[in-house]
Amino acid sequence: DAKTTQPTSMDCAEGRAANLPCNHSTISGNEYVYWYRQIHSQGPQYIIHGLKNNETNEMASLIITEDRKSSTLILPHATLRDTAVYYCIVRPNFGNEKLTFGTGTRLTIIP
Amino acid sequence: DTGVSQDPRHKITKRGQNVTFRCDPISEHNRLYWYRQTLGQGPEFLTYFQNEAQLEKSRLLSDRFSAERPKGSFSTLEIQRTEQGDSAMYLCASSPSGTGGYNEQFFGPGTRLTVL
Repeated sequence: DAKTTQPTSMDCAEGRAANLPCNHSTISGNEYVYWYRQIHSQGPQYIIHGLKNNETNEMASLIITEDRKSSTLILPHATLRDTAVYYCIVRPNFGNEKLTFGTGTRLTIIP
Repeated sequence: DTGVSQDPRHKITKRGQNVTFRCDPISEHNRLYWYRQTLGQGPEFLTYFQNEAQLEKSRLLSDRFSAERPKGSFSTLEIQRTEQGDSAMYLCASSPSGTGGYNEQFFGPGTRLTVL
């Protein structure tokens, strides 16, 4: 699986958009970008995934650059409950069942 | 939908003792995963089951570790002769298997093991 690089930590004001970057310069053509988050004392939770098109669901938006070497997870209106560690993961959609987590970005929402 | 459950939530044991953890996946999810997470790190994959078949094991899963899923429903993870380095959060996840698209993994709350 391709390696990802994320900032160690970020702060965001409550109500503002939180933009979490991820670099994956060695991503290959069949690899997707996935985002999970882990709220303190809980297991990780799936957020969103994408291949090359931008994606949006009820939780977040995922913007993938045209060269697919980086992506940004956007939480449009951050709340205190969004405080968590956010993991960017790159892997194929099939044939590799495990998730390879890095150390993620610790996002703190400031009241 | 009751989610993935794990038991116990916390376990304190002395070095050299054996421990066993249980995971109950979401019903009808035929894939089940075990991960281990140490402080400040992301979860690390240990092993994965499709129904009762154990299809992949990480090299992290030493001979002291064994996982089973005898009837394709709940799973157990046993650690024999525990060491202080085994202290970690042990996470279980489950997912359905589909013929297309991504099947997200649903994680349980974890079992926190402390080896004294």
